[in-house]
Amino acid sequence: QSVLTQPPSASGTPGQRVTISCSGSSSNIGSNFVYWYQQLPGTAPKLLIYRSDQRSSGVPDRISGSKSGTSASLAISGLRSEDEADYYCAAWDDILSGVVFGGGTKLTVL
Amino acid sequence: QVQLVESGGGVVQPGRSLRLSCAASGFTFSSYAMHWVRQAPGKGLEWVAVVSYDGMYKYYADSVKGRFTISRDNSEKTLYLQMNSLRGEDTAVYHCARESSNWKYPGYWGQGTLVTVSS
Repeated sequence: QSVLTQPPSASGTPGQRVTISCSGSSSNIGSNFVYWYQQLPGTAPKLLIYRSDQRSSGVPDRISGSKSGTSASLAISGLRSEDEADYYCAAWDDILSGVVFGGGTKLTVL
Repeated sequence: QVQLVESGGGVVQPGRSLRLSCAASGFTFSSYAMHWVRQAPGKGLEWVAVVSYDGMYKYYADSVKGRFTISRDNSEKTLYLQMNSLRGEDTAVYHCARESSNWKYPGYWGQGTLVTVSS
């Protein structure tokens, strides 16, 4: 059971817009930044979004992040086949004094 | 560019110890906090530990506290994870990662090294 809650799966067709949610609590998302990572099959995770809404270098502007209260979301518009991957949210937790991850969302491009 | 290469993984019996290393290059190692994050086969990411840029501050996940020790040698540009009293549930690919824009969060990740705990 992950501290941050993500839907296990999401899907969309090419060109569509997909959002992935990440729900936490006041001790993590509510008081700290949210980071988002993309993991393509068989590869190491890659940082997509930092400080809740800042795109990492090289990340296209069709990918965006947002945070409100104790929840966050990752949005991918103009969906492409290469977006098919696992996506993880993460936040520092002030009570646990460590990073907590969501369980991951597997994005399928139909 | 940032390069992180982990080594030291392998098959180890329950209760035994193992030390992982992570060789860093392409950045000023001594200026950044470093993390270990693991991923059990077919499972999600689990944060393990972080050490500050100077080695003074260390934080651990509850699941490894008291058994694992994170450390670094800035002169050798190397990060370590000493793992003692290993259990089956420690079986995972272990990634080292450099901090991103904030010491609390992993940014750049290595490819990882597989640790299998089995008798």
